[in-house]
Amino acid sequence: DAKTTQPPSMDCAEGRAANLPCNHSTISGNEYVYWYRQIHSQGPQYIIHGLKNNETNEMASLIITEDRKSSTLILPHATLRDTAVYYCIVSLPGYSTLTFGKGTMLLVSP
Amino acid sequence: AAGVIQSPRHLIKEKRETATLKCYPIPRHDTVYWYQQGPGQDPQFLISFYEKMQSDKGSIPDRFSAQQFSDYHSELNMSSLELGDSALYFCASSLGWVAVGTDTQYFGPGTRLTVL
Repeated sequence: DAKTTQPPSMDCAEGRAANLPCNHSTISGNEYVYWYRQIHSQGPQYIIHGLKNNETNEMASLIITEDRKSSTLILPHATLRDTAVYYCIVSLPGYSTLTFGKGTMLLVSP
Repeated sequence: AAGVIQSPRHLIKEKRETATLKCYPIPRHDTVYWYQQGPGQDPQFLISFYEKMQSDKGSIPDRFSAQQFSDYHSELNMSSLELGDSALYFCASSLGWVAVGTDTQYFGPGTRLTVL
């Protein structure tokens, strides 16, 4: 059973912020939210992860709701190179399996 | 920064042949994972190794086997290849779980296997 739900596709104009939502209503207390992306046929690329606090790194920001049932990945200034499939994955720390769902295909246009 | 290295990048085999895919993890990483991604599908976990021991197993066919060597590189051996084995095979590595975040998996560029 899918542990996360994401919209199948989203569009974003170049230079604008891309906000990618993810629902994970059955997340358990010690599961983390990880985000990866895959540019066509390349290896998945780690973006960011978090437990309950908002996180930011050089690539993106992760906003997790207080009840932890959903989160949003924010790419502050999307570029054409950000066009990819974005995967939201919930996982226990130290648990080896990453279960990829369908992800969101983000298309960034000029 | 050094990344995960996979070889070969492309491989073409006939049905019923064997194939060996190799993965060289990021230096100091002790955990290796293998994933399979069929055409139009999402990556699926196959198997993982921590400190040369199998740590987890997913939907890996019995025709496939894998191991991790003393230098932490890993090999995925595939026998009696079938048309349905045509896919991208990704290797990922991590430091293993010392603290949250150290087990983040970093993926290689993949090996594209085509079975004719």
